[in-house]
Amino acid sequence: RKEVEQDPGPFNVPEGATVAFNCTYSNSASQSFFWYRQDCRKEPKLLMSVYSSGNEDGRFTAQLNRASQYISLLIRDSKLSDSATYLCVVNSFFTGGGNKLTFGTGTQLKVEL
Amino acid sequence: GAGVSQSPRYKVAKRGQDVALRCDPISGHVSLFWYQQALGQGPEFLTYFQNEAQLDKSGLPSDRFFAERPEGSVSTLKIQRTQQEDSAVYLCASSFPLGQGAKDTEAFFGQGTRLTVV
Repeated sequence: RKEVEQDPGPFNVPEGATVAFNCTYSNSASQSFFWYRQDCRKEPKLLMSVYSSGNEDGRFTAQLNRASQYISLLIRDSKLSDSATYLCVVNSFFTGGGNKLTFGTGTQLKVEL
Repeated sequence: GAGVSQSPRYKVAKRGQDVALRCDPISGHVSLFWYQQALGQGPEFLTYFQNEAQLDKSGLPSDRFFAERPEGSVSTLKIQRTQQEDSAVYLCASSFPLGQGAKDTEAFFGQGTRLTVV
């Protein structure tokens, strides 16, 4: 079982739709969580951090459920420019220092006219 | 420069050839990560440095892979005797130590080196 699991999609949605992505992680020692966005043939870029209290950034809402080890991303009013791969990322710390970012496979979103 | 710089951007190697991939992190960033990304997959962790110390190399797929960061800034990922399965994009990322007193400091990625082994 992969440490971070996501549905690879693709999710094909019409412009203006609301779409939700989910992610589960297996390492209960994981400390912080992120959603990254990756466009085709580009490097991943931070979309938003994910907090237990939930956080919102414009049309994007992220939520963390530590008890269920589950992370979500909601995109409202989808735009064509939202088409990309969304990567769920989990950060774990190690005794003695250091940390490790573990990525999911990514969920591909295609927003269509 | 303002961001993480990787070179070369593209590398074609003959099977059995040794290659060296370079990463220039953002100045002052303590943490440096190397990832391997195959087509259609998420980045897979290779190794992590905190300054010059390689704290985790559990993701290196074989002893043909070696990474170093001797002065705590520039890092090199070396692959010896390349094989076709080594073909992938190699991504480098740097950050301040994530989550240590900071509010989830962002990890910044370079554009990657696309390695093709023929």
